[in-house]
Amino acid sequence: NAGVTQTPKFQVLKTGQSMTLQCAQDMNHNSMYWYRQDPGMGLRLIYYSASEGTTDKGEVPNGYNVSRLNKREFSLRLESAAPSQTSVYFCASTANSNQPQHFGDGTRLSIL
Amino acid sequence: RKEVEQDPGPFNVPEGATVAFNCTYSNSASQSFFWYRQDCRKEPKLLMSVYSSGNEDGRFTAQLNRASQYISLLIRDSKLSDSATYLCVVNKGDSGYALNFGKGTSLLVTP
Repeated sequence: NAGVTQTPKFQVLKTGQSMTLQCAQDMNHNSMYWYRQDPGMGLRLIYYSASEGTTDKGEVPNGYNVSRLNKREFSLRLESAAPSQTSVYFCASTANSNQPQHFGDGTRLSIL
Repeated sequence: RKEVEQDPGPFNVPEGATVAFNCTYSNSASQSFFWYRQDCRKEPKLLMSVYSSGNEDGRFTAQLNRASQYISLLIRDSKLSDSATYLCVVNKGDSGYALNFGKGTSLLVTP
């Protein structure tokens, strides 16, 4: 039962570098989400994809782009990393808006 | 007003104690309600959904008051392993697919 799988688990970048965080779910869920969580803070929604082929901005989309590659996969890209993007990134998925979301175990990203 | 508000705590209780967490939400169109648990530096995990009639899962009881837009979680006979942050989560109702997460209430159960 893999559920939601995120890669990588840890990453250190230099300011200005780019990278893509990968997320895949095997639960046949329609909707997928990217969150960030900073120390002592709650989860903040970056982007989400309600269904395959659609993406929408969340609360804090600036500096990020996303791709819903297919029903299983939803990637998050940092084009030019900034120290303010140092955070823990969680991917989640759900069957529909009335169901709970299931989370991956996170990507810990540090930008120097 | 924040969409989901929780007392951040921390709540420090001895093993065996009963502890209650409260949460208020602002969107009257919200239809789905959940409590999640998050351990330090780990992902949030669903603890239980909250139903209109109230529901219980072992030592955990959740209540919903739609009129007051208030949700509660009661933990009986606290265990050391209950130490975590508890997140109140509410769906956005009419705007569809996103959830609103509270910032969480921290619980520390001590021997």
